[in-house]
Amino acid sequence: AQSVTQLDSQVPVFEEAPVELRCNYSSSVSVYLFWYVQYPNQGLQLLLKYLSGSTLVESINGFEAEFNKSQTSFHLRKPSVHISDTAEYFCAVTPLRGATNKLIFGTGTLLAVQP
Amino acid sequence: NAGVTQTPKFQVLKTGQSMTLQCAQDMNHNSMYWYRQDPGMGLRLIYYSASEGTTDKGEVPNGYNVSRLNKREFSLRLESAAPSQTSVYFCASSDEETGRRSGNTIYFGEGSWLTVV
Repeated sequence: AQSVTQLDSQVPVFEEAPVELRCNYSSSVSVYLFWYVQYPNQGLQLLLKYLSGSTLVESINGFEAEFNKSQTSFHLRKPSVHISDTAEYFCAVTPLRGATNKLIFGTGTLLAVQP
Repeated sequence: NAGVTQTPKFQVLKTGQSMTLQCAQDMNHNSMYWYRQDPGMGLRLIYYSASEGTTDKGEVPNGYNVSRLNKREFSLRLESAAPSQTSVYFCASSDEETGRRSGNTIYFGEGSWLTVV
């Protein structure tokens, strides 16, 4: 079975400052890793995902995440945040093989960007 | 680009009432899901359907039933609503055929806010 831990329920940060949202996972098998973003009163949208290959993956809006197998982490970073990045961010995992249609989510981190 | 459409967006129910949440996707996806989202608990899978005609329980199926009416539609029914079912419900879909090659990207609807009083 897989599990995802997002230790920070809320991360306040000032505009243009860097930010890191932490995600750790537990799994006995290899996994795919995802970050989803949820803007207020909307559904979840895929931000980025790690499948294989380069451990650093990037999104189109400046976020990046690095897969660290030894630390079982997939932290999300952005060097300079904007007010529009205010949203809830969810880390998720699914096993490479077997029940690939079951996505396990963390509890979410609210990124609150202040002017 | 409709994607995943779910109705209604808002609903208030009395304890014991029944209702059905409707969901449809126009992406020709095989797999469909129902999640509920509660503060501090993230998203939890209620039921999923890997293909037309099949359904399976997720983490929190008690108190719910589902129907995969056809490839496009996947409904969630509350037979006798309870206050504990007050939540935001999300329908989602994914393409299992390409999922194994490209990772299982799931596409979500905009959510249905349900309050049981």
